[in-house]
Amino acid sequence: EPEVTQTPSHQVTQMGQEVILRCVPISNHLYFYWYRQILGQKVEFLVSFYNNEISEKSEIFDDQFSVERPDGSNFTLKIRSTKLEDSAMYFCASSEVTGGGETQYFGPGTRLLVL
Amino acid sequence: GENVEQHPSTLSVQEGDSAVIKCTYSDSASNYFPWYKQELGKRPQLIIDIRSNVGEKKDQRIAVTLNKTAKHFSLHITETQPEDSAVYFCAANSGGSYIPTFGRGTSLIVHP
Repeated sequence: EPEVTQTPSHQVTQMGQEVILRCVPISNHLYFYWYRQILGQKVEFLVSFYNNEISEKSEIFDDQFSVERPDGSNFTLKIRSTKLEDSAMYFCASSEVTGGGETQYFGPGTRLLVL
Repeated sequence: GENVEQHPSTLSVQEGDSAVIKCTYSDSASNYFPWYKQELGKRPQLIIDIRSNVGEKKDQRIAVTLNKTAKHFSLHITETQPEDSAVYFCAANSGGSYIPTFGRGTSLIVHP
């Protein structure tokens, strides 16, 4: 069964550094998402992406965040200048259809630690 | 926006017992309600979902019920097994958006 994949699985960075988290969505999916989960807390939506542009974003997704689909398979989340509070698990997800009823499939996550 | 409340935060049962996790939502226009299971350090995995035109859905030992009037939905697990131990998240898609709002999660512990 196809799965969403993410790299790296773990990333440690210094505060103020830029990080890029990578995702390969399921190949026939058209909608892509990034979520964040701080340790022990619920999953929080960051951004959704369709047709090469952002569809929706949450208030967490401020100017230090950006997303890109640089080629036909990868979907990336960039954090420009990391802060301590950006330490979390970041999940990518993808879905096939939208309209309030689609099923989202999550990747295994990237655990980001900002020191 | 949508607000999803989930209870209990922790649920401890004996193997073979049933477990029920309840969620409420605020947006009456929400029309899609997925449930995710997340084992420690792993990705959330969809285990069952229900749409607003259906009151109940069952898949083997797992069932979900939806009460649109009361804006409640619940996950029922029968004949629990130790491998059911995980954190379970409910979610609701707010009307006009296909982005799920997640509940805070329920840590289910099934004792052998």
